[in-house]
Amino acid sequence: AQSVTQLDSQVPVFEEAPVELRCNYSSSVSVYLFWYVQYPNQGLQLLLKYLSGSTLVESINGFEAEFNKSQTSFHLRKPSVHISDTAEYFCAVAYSSASKIIFGSGTRLSIRP
Amino acid sequence: DTEVTQTPKHLVMGMTNKKSLKCEQHMGHRAMYWYKQKAKKPPELMFVYSYEKLSINESVPSRFSPECPNSSLLNLHLHALQPEDSALYLCASSQGSRASGGYNEQFFGPGTRLTVL
Repeated sequence: AQSVTQLDSQVPVFEEAPVELRCNYSSSVSVYLFWYVQYPNQGLQLLLKYLSGSTLVESINGFEAEFNKSQTSFHLRKPSVHISDTAEYFCAVAYSSASKIIFGSGTRLSIRP
Repeated sequence: DTEVTQTPKHLVMGMTNKKSLKCEQHMGHRAMYWYKQKAKKPPELMFVYSYEKLSINESVPSRFSPECPNSSLLNLHLHALQPEDSALYLCASSQGSRASGGYNEQFFGPGTRLTVL
């Protein structure tokens, strides 16, 4: 069955420390991968996406994610987090150009000063 | 304009009320979506409209009735809701499956927070 797994429901990190949010998906020939961020009391914003091409994708606010086909992973990383990064992060996958997005269960990133 | 707007931001209704949620986009997108999100959970797909036609209904109870009057607007009519229907209702849009090229990413609105008393 097609699925997305975010193993960590919560990740507490100190400010300016690095962070990695893990995401694994069930294998398929073609896959489109996304990270969405949801700040408190807001809707979802697309943080970054992998559709094709370079396996390393970056966002404008310092996050990056790497598509690893052999490990079926799309982990999200940031070398130094800020208080403003406190949010819920959802990994998502689509298995074809016409398919629904399947969301992971989410990871709550909390930043300690 | 790269926004999806939703009104109202908050809605409180009784179980016998009839209300509507509204979603609007002016990006020329031809696919629009309704999601329901409970606290600390991911969004759950409810309905998909493609080119103003309902293409997916995820077995949603009939007390939720979607409507797509034109390519820019999407409504969700609510009637006889239950307290367990209280949630954040998110609208999203994308270019539409007939667009050429790879996956059509979805753009989300800020949501309507619904409380059913």
